[in-house]
Amino acid sequence: QVQLVQSGPEVKKPGASVRLSCQASGYTFTKYPIQWVRQAPGVGLEWMGIIHPSDGDTTYARKFQGRLIMTRDTSTATVFMELSGLRSDDAAVYYCASGGDVWGKGTTVIVSS
Amino acid sequence: DIVMTQTPLSLPVTPGEAASISCRSSQSLFDRDDGYTYLDWYLQKPGQSPQLLIYTVSYRASGVPDRFSGSGSDTEFTLTISRVEAEDVGVYYCMQRIGFPITFGQGTRLEIK
Repeated sequence: QVQLVQSGPEVKKPGASVRLSCQASGYTFTKYPIQWVRQAPGVGLEWMGIIHPSDGDTTYARKFQGRLIMTRDTSTATVFMELSGLRSDDAAVYYCASGGDVWGKGTTVIVSS
Repeated sequence: DIVMTQTPLSLPVTPGEAASISCRSSQSLFDRDDGYTYLDWYLQKPGQSPQLLIYTVSYRASGVPDRFSGSGSDTEFTLTISRVEAEDVGVYYCMQRIGFPITFGQGTRLEIK
């Protein structure tokens, strides 16, 4: 079936980088863009950016410019999201979503010294 | 950035009764080039990823019960649940995707009385 499988939880120190993955299956990987949305504890949804698997084209939210990179590997139908310069307020559940109607289960990122 | 404002933020409802959530955008979500209005509704049930309910104002996503309906235009939108059931508990978000960054409303928490 159509699904996005996300990588496991991460614990990082402030200032470090985190790289999350999102593997698609059940559909043509290059057909739909994949976006990343995060949710801090007890807070709403925040859009981070989007990548088009067909050509790797990306658009990032302005607040993440300079420390967010999204890439893809078409051979494994996987999208990667790397966030650098982690701060305590980057602690959140990070979701990937394709076409709006297929979401991964989320990856928890903890930032703690 | 387009600001999305939802009301109410909390919505206690008796099962079987109707419920409505409003969403207002700071700019028109109508795209003159293709004639679509890019406003979607999501439900995030407790402990789950968001799930798409309604896309482009009024189209129900696959598998969504017909008690859910969306309406509106330009900058004013409404999600209506004709007869609330216990399984409808969660946080409802409106989301605009006419332009980047994609932005969400603050969320409306529906609870059963």
